[in-house]
Amino acid sequence: DAGVIQSPRHEVTEMGQEVTLRCKPISGHNSLFWYRQTMMRGLELLIYFNNNVPIDDSGMPEDRFSAKMPNASFSTLKIQPSEPRDSAVYFCASSPRGLYGYTFGSGTRLTVV
Amino acid sequence: SQQGEEDPQALSIQEGENATMNCSYKTSINNLQWYRQNSGRGLVHLILIRSNEREKHSGRLRVTLDTSKKSSSLLITASRAADTASYFCATLIDYKLSFGAGTTVTVRA
Repeated sequence: DAGVIQSPRHEVTEMGQEVTLRCKPISGHNSLFWYRQTMMRGLELLIYFNNNVPIDDSGMPEDRFSAKMPNASFSTLKIQPSEPRDSAVYFCASSPRGLYGYTFGSGTRLTVV
Repeated sequence: SQQGEEDPQALSIQEGENATMNCSYKTSINNLQWYRQNSGRGLVHLILIRSNEREKHSGRLRVTLDTSKKSSSLLITASRAADTASYFCATLIDYKLSFGAGTTVTVRA
């Protein structure tokens, strides 16, 4: 298995632009998570999907952030419009069931200028 | 918000020495997990200890859990240069995995 696959690895965009981050979880994992990592705030859970359904989006910072999981093998995190304070590394993780260890992707390093 | 707090924040040791880091948390948990993150990379799951377990081993890793003190420790024995990384404890409550700020470990050759 190739693990959790995220794209792009790096994204540089101008303030105000729309940004879409993509994630392919491990096949058979029914839980998917989006995290954001910054030096100031550490790792923050943004949203959790179970069986493609958003269960908890309380970590999504603002309405500018949205996430979808149209099927078991694909999820997106969209920021529209982007702001410099959104600059961070965004990780996607999946798990076979919620009580097990997570497998993380390599992350997308987002820079908003 | 961060549920776990690691101690120390940073640790520098000589190759071959043992590295110990601690994690304290605030509320009851389903399990506690430790992850490693190499610079610029994603997190790698190391070991999971359930709330009814007290100690677990995996290779050179030893994890303890004291639910009465709400604390855990991770011991890496016979450290190698390749162990240089940040180590995070994470507590699972229901489905939510919350991470601490991490301990940065540097192993000097």
